[in-house]
Amino acid sequence: DGGITQSPKYLFRKEGQNVTLSCEQNLNHDAMYWYRQDPGQGLRLIYYSQIVNDFQKGDIAEGYSVSREKKESFPLTVTSAQKNPTAFYLCATTSGGDTQYFGPGTRLTVL
Amino acid sequence: GNSVTQMEGPVTLSEEAFLTINCTYTATGYPSLFWYVQYPGEGLQLLLKATKADDKGSNKGFEATYRKETTSFHLEKGSVQVSDSAVYFCALSLRDSSYKLIFGSGTRLLVRP
Repeated sequence: DGGITQSPKYLFRKEGQNVTLSCEQNLNHDAMYWYRQDPGQGLRLIYYSQIVNDFQKGDIAEGYSVSREKKESFPLTVTSAQKNPTAFYLCATTSGGDTQYFGPGTRLTVL
Repeated sequence: GNSVTQMEGPVTLSEEAFLTINCTYTATGYPSLFWYVQYPGEGLQLLLKATKADDKGSNKGFEATYRKETTSFHLEKGSVQVSDSAVYFCALSLRDSSYKLIFGSGTRLLVRP
């Protein structure tokens, strides 16, 4: 079954903790992206990666980190330096064209 | 800078009414334009796209025409259904090597029976 999977669907974090959100794809797409969505707002780009072992900061990278060790996987770590991490996080991929395909998202809540 | 502006919601319509959601953009170069739809608690689904001036994207009864002269990409549907209730996002891609998307703030559509 092809597609993009994100886990977990819901994640709760205590203040001061780092958490890692998973994004996996079996579409054989080269590029992967992480976006953050806040209520009533559009999506904002956090990080993106176009090839394995390479990634670039997006518009709101502060307090986040990523890795791209495998083509299929692009995990996002929300660090304790992120001041307001409660949001809906979306992963997307593209095969090299400009159409992006999105995963189902992870809702992160800081307690 | 590059940006997308959408009409504020919510837009509330009765079933079978005509829908228009306005979208205008500012961009350097010649972007591709997209409409995505988000149902509650889910990710975004591509609804339609257009890549050059006067192109019309269409899908599931929705249409949008790339208007370069007015920098617009308004979404329309002739007869909405309750199942169309969702949040609709207009977006552009600058078609540089990053293929980053720039999104509008989204417009919530509520369709009543």
